[in-house]
Amino acid sequence: QVQLQESGPGLVKPSQTLSLTCTVSGGSISSGDYYWSWIRQPPGKGLEWIGYIYYSGSTYYNPSLKSRVTISVDTSKNQFSLKLSSVTAADTAVYYCARGVLRFHGMDVWGQGTTVTVSS
Amino acid sequence: QTVVTQEPSFSVSPGGTVTLTCGLSSGSVSTSYYPSWYQQTPGQAPRTLIYSTNTRSSGVPDRFSGSILGNKAALTITGAQADDESDYYCVLYMGSGMVFGGGTKLTVL
Repeated sequence: QVQLQESGPGLVKPSQTLSLTCTVSGGSISSGDYYWSWIRQPPGKGLEWIGYIYYSGSTYYNPSLKSRVTISVDTSKNQFSLKLSSVTAADTAVYYCARGVLRFHGMDVWGQGTTVTVSS
Repeated sequence: QTVVTQEPSFSVSPGGTVTLTCGLSSGSVSTSYYPSWYQQTPGQAPRTLIYSTNTRSSGVPDRFSGSILGNKAALTITGAQADDESDYYCVLYMGSGMVFGGGTKLTVL
């Protein structure tokens, strides 16, 4: 059974870069049947898609975040990562990683989420 | 930018049936948008209910069903139970990304 686990700093200073990693266990990140997503949820608000990556390295980003987002994959570690630059308090959120099923264009497995606070 | 619309809130009686919808600020939702639905309770990660309009995720009871109704995607819950009280989000695939709806808070009372 595939499981996803987010990891990274829980506190980031304004203007710095937020970096998170999602470790995939119980399955290979190199499978061509899936893509690998990041989603976030600010306190008290709804879910927002950040972007996703295919095992090949192709990426797609939310246009509103595109200039600040980089998603990458490390197949040797079965991990994928998120970097969000120039963060502000508005980037404070719970960040989720999720697996997407390519033929369904929807997520089927989610990580538990990790809280990131942007504050000095 | 495309806005995906959902009812902000809805209520249903225990045992009743409710249909939540997912629309577009401009245009109609079709199967080409591969609508998917997610359930989230406070403090928990989302749980996948439906993807590709009407395919139930593994382990999801058949009380939950997805469809296209008119120009919107729809999630129907039959025989509502107390633990169905949650936030429900739809997602539409846009070809080079996806967009979440704002979510519907479902109350069972």
